[in-house]
Amino acid sequence: NAGVIQTPRHKVTGKGQEATLWCEPISGHSAVFWYRQTIVQGLEFLTYFRNQAPIDDSGMPKERFSAQMPNQSHSTLKIQSTQPQDSAVYLCASSSGQKEVFFGKGTRLTVV
Amino acid sequence: GEQVEQRPPHLSVREGDSAVITCTYTDPNSYYFFWYKQEPGASLQLLMKVFSSTEINEGQGFTVLLNKKDKRLSLNLTAAHPGDSAAYFCAVSLTSNTNKVVFGTGTRLQVLP
Repeated sequence: NAGVIQTPRHKVTGKGQEATLWCEPISGHSAVFWYRQTIVQGLEFLTYFRNQAPIDDSGMPKERFSAQMPNQSHSTLKIQSTQPQDSAVYLCASSSGQKEVFFGKGTRLTVV
Repeated sequence: GEQVEQRPPHLSVREGDSAVITCTYTDPNSYYFFWYKQEPGASLQLLMKVFSSTEINEGQGFTVLLNKKDKRLSLNLTAAHPGDSAAYFCAVSLTSNTNKVVFGTGTRLQVLP
């Protein structure tokens, strides 16, 4: 079991560029979560999917952020027209429904 | 929706001292509670999972207390050592099968030798 896999581990984008972050959940897990972590805001919930269907995206900024889960083996978080305030560690996590959430190592996004 | 407040945001103790981190939550239907540990540069690792039927849970070097009446969850590290230095996060989930877990804002613990 390789755990939750996130790629890339680090990404640097220029202001205004697009960034796509990838997540491969643990095989067999039905729920996939995205969180954003910063020093100032802590761990912020963004969105989650269950059985590939979007369930709750209440934490997603309404503009520029979108998340997809086209199949059970991966999910993507896309940020359009990145801004410096988008700089953060983006964490993906998955759960089997037993309530325990397993986290990936995160993608550190730096917008310059 | 559920809101989880975690205190303190930063905590510094001497080796051998105890360290207490507390979370309060708002939804009385919350049933699953978690503590996660995040070491520098690493992702979150589950420290302990507790259910609302159990008020006291003991792990290796720490105790988790759940007070449902006050909607408070605490993590007590007894005799902290430098290896305990990390960020700690509480998390709360509801009884319904939504799978959504709400996290506290975290506590950065530093254990000084």
